[in-house]
Amino acid sequence: EPEVTQTPSHQVTQMGQEVILRCVPISNHLYFYWYRQILGQKVEFLVSFYNNEISEKSEIFDDQFSVERPDGSNFTLKIRSTKLEDSAMYFCASRRQGFGYTFGSGTRLTVV
Amino acid sequence: KQEVTQIPAALSVPEGENLVLNCSFTDSAIYNLQWFRQDPGKGLTSLLLIQSSQREQTSGRLNASLDKSSGRSTLYIAASQPGDSATYLCAVIVSSGNTGKLIFGQGTTLQVKP
Repeated sequence: EPEVTQTPSHQVTQMGQEVILRCVPISNHLYFYWYRQILGQKVEFLVSFYNNEISEKSEIFDDQFSVERPDGSNFTLKIRSTKLEDSAMYFCASRRQGFGYTFGSGTRLTVV
Repeated sequence: KQEVTQIPAALSVPEGENLVLNCSFTDSAIYNLQWFRQDPGKGLTSLLLIQSSQREQTSGRLNASLDKSSGRSTLYIAASQPGDSATYLCAVIVSSGNTGKLIFGQGTTLQVKP
């Protein structure tokens, strides 16, 4: 069964540092997403990406966040200057039109 | 604004029991509804996807129903097993365009006791 792969599984970073979270979506999927889950809270939408551009972003996804699909297989989320409140589990997901989501296993980001 | 609510927040049952998890949403204009399982500290595993034109979907011991007009979905688990212990998340897909983002409920944490 095809999988969405995320690396690293856990990242610890100092406040103010830049982090890049990496994802390899399923190869024939066209829609890509980042979600996050703060401990004990709901999973919440960050951004969707289709046809090499952002199709929608939430109010959480401010200028500190960016996404990129640099080479046709990877999909990255960059946080430019991390804050303590960015500590969360970040999930990448992908899907085909008309089908459900497939999620990766997540990256646990800890900002200290 | 679409809100998704799951009841109960937690449930503990003895092994072998049949159980129902409930999900409600405030706006019936959904595209699809998807149920996920989440083990502690892990990712989301898709269980069932119900298209908006469908009433139910089945996979093994799981059956999910959808009533768009009343804004409700249920996940029925038959003959529960300890391995079913996890958090079950309901999520609605709110558009069919180039976004199709998911709005999640807070989940029902299920414990099945041997």
